[in-house]
Amino acid sequence: GENVEQHPSTLSVQEGDSAVIKCTYSDSASNYFPWYKQELGKRPQLIIDIRSNVGEKKDQRIAVTLNKTAKHFSLHITETQPEDSAVYFCAASMGGYSTLTFGKGTMLLVSP
Amino acid sequence: DAGVIQSPRHEVTEMGQEVTLRCKPISGHNSLFWYRQTMMRGLELLIYFNNNVPIDDSGMPEDRFSAKMPNASFSTLKIQPSEPRDSAVYFCASSFRLADQETQYFGPGTRLLVL
Repeated sequence: GENVEQHPSTLSVQEGDSAVIKCTYSDSASNYFPWYKQELGKRPQLIIDIRSNVGEKKDQRIAVTLNKTAKHFSLHITETQPEDSAVYFCAASMGGYSTLTFGKGTMLLVSP
Repeated sequence: DAGVIQSPRHEVTEMGQEVTLRCKPISGHNSLFWYRQTMMRGLELLIYFNNNVPIDDSGMPEDRFSAKMPNASFSTLKIQPSEPRDSAVYFCASSFRLADQETQYFGPGTRLLVL
């Protein structure tokens, strides 16, 4: 089955800096890659996703890039703010009846 | 849109007791997922239903766990008998699976503590 590795496990940045979280996947058939943000004590919430027919997608301060050849995708957050502090999960899916395989998560701490 | 609804939000029980967690998916969604989240194991998929039919239950840890989806608007996850190692946050998620539409929306979770 699919295996998703996520790095780093923790990331500390200063407010205003950029943050990058990287994930690799094992199955080249995966074609859908969402990112979820989970604040302390809350539910995971989708913040951005990308499909295999696109190399990059942006939404304001958040962007995701996908390298199908290398089988890795990354989340980029620019101009970080304290409210960006949370655990971020990447995931991969092969579509059809397959399910999401989640990475272990990255705890992002943005210091004022 | 009320989102995915889960109950109870918190459950404290004693080892050996039966625990039933409930989920109401978003209206119109045809796929439902039960996850378990712990610090040690992260977010694990327990079981997945599509059109009320269990498609993949390979994540169900053992026979003490069972899940049902009697109709499109309700699902239960039951643990009988419960054990302290079952303590975790249990999330239900739903999605509308059609072609490439796969976004999963999570419920608020049930925090289960088994003493």
